[in-house]
Amino acid sequence: AQKVTQAQTEISVVEKEDVTLDCVYETRDTTYYLFWYKQPPSGELVFLIRRNSFDEQNEISGRYSWNFQKSTSSFNFTITASQVVDSAVYFCALSEANAGNNRKLIWGLGTSLAVNP
Amino acid sequence: GAGVSQSPSNKVTEKGKDVELRCDPISGHTALYWYRQSLGQGLEFLIYFQGNSAPDKSGLPSDRFSAERTGGSVSTLTIQRTQQEDSAVYLCASSFLAGGNEQFFGPGTRLTVL
Repeated sequence: AQKVTQAQTEISVVEKEDVTLDCVYETRDTTYYLFWYKQPPSGELVFLIRRNSFDEQNEISGRYSWNFQKSTSSFNFTITASQVVDSAVYFCALSEANAGNNRKLIWGLGTSLAVNP
Repeated sequence: GAGVSQSPSNKVTEKGKDVELRCDPISGHTALYWYRQSLGQGLEFLIYFQGNSAPDKSGLPSDRFSAERTGGSVSTLTIQRTQQEDSAVYLCASSFLAGGNEQFFGPGTRLTVL
């Protein structure tokens, strides 16, 4: 069965610290997609990144970076030099290609990140 | 361009009443999803529409829940005889075609059933 686990419920850091949010997934499909979304206090989910299962290349976007490792079924997210504006709940999600056209997202429970000044 | 919009932003209703929640997807997006976000439950899939195909209703929690999508655009989620456990934020998302494309979310409707 498909599942996404975000073991860290809450993380609190001081501004400028680096922080890594963990995501572990389970799927029987060989083709799938992994996502990270940010949900700031305003509530609207903001798309951050999508990776497909055939692309294990790590990605960096500004202070954000993602480490995808199929061997450990993990898709971890690192924020470098965190800022107060990074405070939000971060969700990892999975969609499976063999689900047909319905690429519903299967969500982790989220990690609440608090960046303190 | 405009993002996904949802209305109302907040809805308070009494137990047993029916409610309708509306979603306007991004223009040109053929795939539309409804999710529910509850405390302690995270986000759960409810229903999916793709073009003119029959919707995937596999996530609807009971037959009190239904949804339609008119003209391949606006969607309405209806909850009949609301119960307190229906209290949640209902999120709508749309994406271009389906595939593994990212889904863009609306701001949600916060439903409170008293």
